[in-house]
Amino acid sequence: SQQGEEDPQALSIQEGENATMNCSYKTSINNLQWYRQNSGRGLVHLILIRSNEREKHSGRLRVTLDTSKKSSSLLITASRAADTASYFCATDLNTGNQFYFGTGTSLTVIP
Amino acid sequence: DTAVSQTPKYLVTQMGNDKSIKCEQNLGHDTMYWYKQDSKKFLKIMFSYNNKELIINETVPNRFSPKSPDKAHLNLHINSLELGDSAVYFCASSQLLRNSPLHFGNGTRLTVT
Repeated sequence: SQQGEEDPQALSIQEGENATMNCSYKTSINNLQWYRQNSGRGLVHLILIRSNEREKHSGRLRVTLDTSKKSSSLLITASRAADTASYFCATDLNTGNQFYFGTGTSLTVIP
Repeated sequence: DTAVSQTPKYLVTQMGNDKSIKCEQNLGHDTMYWYKQDSKKFLKIMFSYNNKELIINETVPNRFSPKSPDKAHLNLHINSLELGDSAVYFCASSQLLRNSPLHFGNGTRLTVT
């Protein structure tokens, strides 16, 4: 069954603006990961946040996790045209290495 | 250096045919996966192999048969192809440890006519 759901489905912003994407999930998790998919390519891992962490940073990326609400958010600051892609959250259930993805957020950054 | 490579990149075939997709990883990972991405971009796990043994087998028609000759390879054979099998199939690999990310291939776009 589908585990992660991203919101919004599509997001269009101007270059330099911040982009925020949200992910909700249904059951307990071991960790939550965010991936990027450029058109016609495979998914690329961006960042992982463990279930006992609340916030994590990597360059222009900031991820938060609220296990009580079963939700996570991905913030991309100072967006660039090259950030145009689909972004997916994936939940790793406590069963270990069983990743469930949603349908992604399609981000368009307008130069 | 391509870490996870899958072939072919495109596959166009007719209903009823049998086809295979091959995947190889050179990352030394012990676990490999097949995912199916539909036209709405929903990514669904199909199978997972750890050290050549099947560990995840989601609800997939038995027309789909994965084969792992060694832990660096995971192939997917599909019998009696149907229109609904049209999708992008992704191979991925990881280490079977908690908190280990997935590394994906670039996908095989299968079109069944």
